[in-house]
Amino acid sequence: KNEVEQSPQNLTAQEGEFITINCSYSVGISALHWLQQHPGGGIVSLFMLSSGKKKHGRLIATINIQEKHSSLHITASHPRDSAVYICAVRSSQGGKLIFGQGTELSVKP
Amino acid sequence: EAEVAQSPRYKITEKSQAVAFWCDPISGHATLYWYRQILGQGPELLVQFQDESVVDDSQLPKDRFSAERLKGVDSTLKIQPAELGDSAMYLCASSPRDRDSYEQYFGPGTRLTVT
Repeated sequence: KNEVEQSPQNLTAQEGEFITINCSYSVGISALHWLQQHPGGGIVSLFMLSSGKKKHGRLIATINIQEKHSSLHITASHPRDSAVYICAVRSSQGGKLIFGQGTELSVKP
Repeated sequence: EAEVAQSPRYKITEKSQAVAFWCDPISGHATLYWYRQILGQGPELLVQFQDESVVDDSQLPKDRFSAERLKGVDSTLKIQPAELGDSAMYLCASSPRDRDSYEQYFGPGTRLTVT
């Protein structure tokens, strides 16, 4: 079993829909990252959080440390949000990043 | 805005050949990471440098892969000989220091195809 699991693996939505991507992890962490990867490979950091909730524009990230679970929400989705979203945790044992397998999101106009 | 540079962006090579990738981190970033990302999976750490020293290379296949960061600035990752299973995206990232408060900044990656 992977230490970081994301669901769903693939998601298709209509423009304007509210989207939720989930991340569960099984290791102790010091921080959790949400990353966005567009076709072509480049990865951009969206959020880094260790507790509570963060918001940036239409994106919201939450984390529940006790339940070892995080969610990424996209409000009023747009075709330009189409990308792979990756959850990564920084292990409290050793400190390296452990990545989930990614969620491929496609938003249709 | 400063970015992590990588070259080449794409590389096609035949198996058993040697291949090298180059990464130039954001100026002043002490920590440099090389990741391998197989299609449909998340990145996997191959090697981490702190300045010119290797901090973690536990997942680097040392029989065929090597990495160096001689002056603690840019870095080269080499594969010799390449195998079909090495086809993947190779990502470089940097951060000011490997601390919880510092995010990693990723380069555009090098997509390697081994034929």
